[in-house]
Amino acid sequence: GEDVEQSLFLSVREGDSSVINCTYTDSSSTYLYWYKQEPGAGLQLLTYIFSNMDMKQDQRLTVLLNKKDKHLSLRIADTQTGDSAIYFCAEIKAGNNRKLIWGLGTSLAVNP
Amino acid sequence: DTEVTQTPKHLVMGMTNKKSLKCEQHMGHRAMYWYKQKAKKPPELMFVYSYEKLSINESVPSRFSPECPNSSLLNLHLHALQPEDSALYLCASSPRDRDRTDTQYFGPGTRLTVL
Repeated sequence: GEDVEQSLFLSVREGDSSVINCTYTDSSSTYLYWYKQEPGAGLQLLTYIFSNMDMKQDQRLTVLLNKKDKHLSLRIADTQTGDSAIYFCAEIKAGNNRKLIWGLGTSLAVNP
Repeated sequence: DTEVTQTPKHLVMGMTNKKSLKCEQHMGHRAMYWYKQKAKKPPELMFVYSYEKLSINESVPSRFSPECPNSSLLNLHLHALQPEDSALYLCASSPRDRDRTDTQYFGPGTRLTVL
């Protein structure tokens, strides 16, 4: 199948860590992406991870990949109000098509 | 420069109008994409141009007509649209180079309202 699943909502307090989870079903996925979309804006690439990696860290962002369980997570440390947005998980598979398969997005609300 | 630009930012049109959306990138990418996105939903792929040739057309109605004049430019021509076509239209580009991830970079979108 081609399903990518995410929980729809997450609410955290400013300064706490946020963890957004994603599961996918296709083990042939090569790259997995996190995009951020603020209200009224386009999609901003946050980070991506290759399927042979377990972890990737970039400043406040940590991506963990459990390939056995087909589980991807995005941790945002010291969450700020500017992090309030919808976060989309997406996967891409090898081959000529290389079409992105999207999750439904997790709406992150950061409360002061 | 990792920027994809789109014009106009907002567009309001009647059902009998003809208009065009424009997209430009100067990253040397060889694939460009049009997506349609409804509020709080993931984007839906409409068209893909790879090396200036239409390579994916996701059964989009003929009232949407893509055009790729060169590797940096992508247009979407609109004619006789319906109110349900109101959405955010996103353009993206990617390297389409075998040695790279083919990561897609998105523009800010055109917010289209069809009256």
